[in-house]
Amino acid sequence: QKEVEQDPGPLSVPEGAIVSLNCTYSNSAFQYFMWYRQYSRKGPELLMYTYSSGNKEDGRFTAQVDKSSKYISLFIRDSQPSDSATYLCAMPSGGSYIPTFGRGTSLIVHP
Amino acid sequence: DTGVSQDPRHKITKRGQNVTFRCDPISEHNRLYWYRQTLGQGPEFLTYFQNEAQLEKSRLLSDRFSAERPKGSFSTLEIQRTEQGDSAMYLCASSFKGKDTEAFFGQGTRLTVV
Repeated sequence: QKEVEQDPGPLSVPEGAIVSLNCTYSNSAFQYFMWYRQYSRKGPELLMYTYSSGNKEDGRFTAQVDKSSKYISLFIRDSQPSDSATYLCAMPSGGSYIPTFGRGTSLIVHP
Repeated sequence: DTGVSQDPRHKITKRGQNVTFRCDPISEHNRLYWYRQTLGQGPEFLTYFQNEAQLEKSRLLSDRFSAERPKGSFSTLEIQRTEQGDSAMYLCASSFKGKDTEAFFGQGTRLTVV
């Protein structure tokens, strides 16, 4: 079992929809949770990170952590075609806190 | 541009040749990571440096791969005797030790082995 699991999608939604992207993880020691956005043929771009449980909001993006279920989510409100990308969750892993990534979920927002 | 810089952006090489990639991290960052990403997968950890010391290597990093960060600034990743299975995007990232939640990536080097 991989430490971090993500459904690869693709997830296709109409413009303006609320998008929910999710990850599950196996290591209960994870404390920090990161979301990256990656456009085709580009490097990943850090969107936001959260610590432990709870919500964090940044503009149209909300990150949510449920440590009891080992489940994290990224919500995108009022989705735009420019949000079309692959969204990767990541968690610093091991004693060296090396970011460990899920495989990413491909999101397509169509006009 | 003060972000992470990688060179070259693209590399096509024949099987059996050696290739070397360069990464220039954000200047004040003391941690530098190398990852490999194949189509439809997330980045997979290869190795990382704290300053000039290479502190951890993944099992993915076979003996054909070597990485250096001689002065704790830029880093190079060399692949010897390339194989078709080495075709991938090679990503470099950097962060502050203690702020590993903020790891910033370069645009990657796309390697194609023919």
